[in-house]
Amino acid sequence: QVQLQESGPGLVKPSETLSLTCTVSGGSIGDYYWTWIRQPPGRGLERIGYISYTGSTNYNPSLKSRVTISLDTSRKQVFLRLTSVTAADTAVYYCARTSVSPPGPPYFDSWGQGTLVTVSS
Amino acid sequence: QSVLTQPPSVSGAPGQRVTISCTGSSSNIGAGYDVHWYQLLPGTAPKLLIYGNINRPSGVPDRFSGSKSGTSASLAIAGLRAEDEADYYCQSYDSSLRDYVFGPGTKVTAL
Repeated sequence: QVQLQESGPGLVKPSETLSLTCTVSGGSIGDYYWTWIRQPPGRGLERIGYISYTGSTNYNPSLKSRVTISLDTSRKQVFLRLTSVTAADTAVYYCARTSVSPPGPPYFDSWGQGTLVTVSS
Repeated sequence: QSVLTQPPSVSGAPGQRVTISCTGSSSNIGAGYDVHWYQLLPGTAPKLLIYGNINRPSGVPDRFSGSKSGTSASLAIAGLRAEDEADYYCQSYDSSLRDYVFGPGTKVTAL
């Protein structure tokens, strides 16, 4: 059974860059897409973006200018980079394995437990 | 503010059937895009409950069922249990936003 584990700094200063890693175990990183999702405190879920196993990406239009998602298939890791962060970027960040079945929207069939990132000086 | 609407909370006695609605519009659910449902329990990894409107992944109890009609979808929990107390989110695609969208979430409480 696939397991996902997010890791990275829990505290980032305003205007700096948030960097997280999702490590995949117990399953292949190929044949799936990989999505980053976040949940600000007391609020709902927001899709950040996804990357395919071939490296193509799709980002939330509202975050597109600040987001980069990348992949290291040999290490089975997915990376998130979010630049110029503000307090509004404080959230629990999740990594999710994504199944794509056109024409329907993708769905997230396995998730990590999430990691809280706080943006504060 | 989400383009999908869910009730903030739903409650029921143990053993009862509760239903969570997810209401959209002609640019998302009404346009024929599938709806998926997730369960979020504090401190645990979120869980996919329903995909493609009505399909249950293996391991999800058949107490959970999904449906879709017109511009709305629903998640039903039959025989509510204390362990079902969680937040539930619907998800679809919106052609106006050109993005994948989540509902605001519904908190389910077993009385």
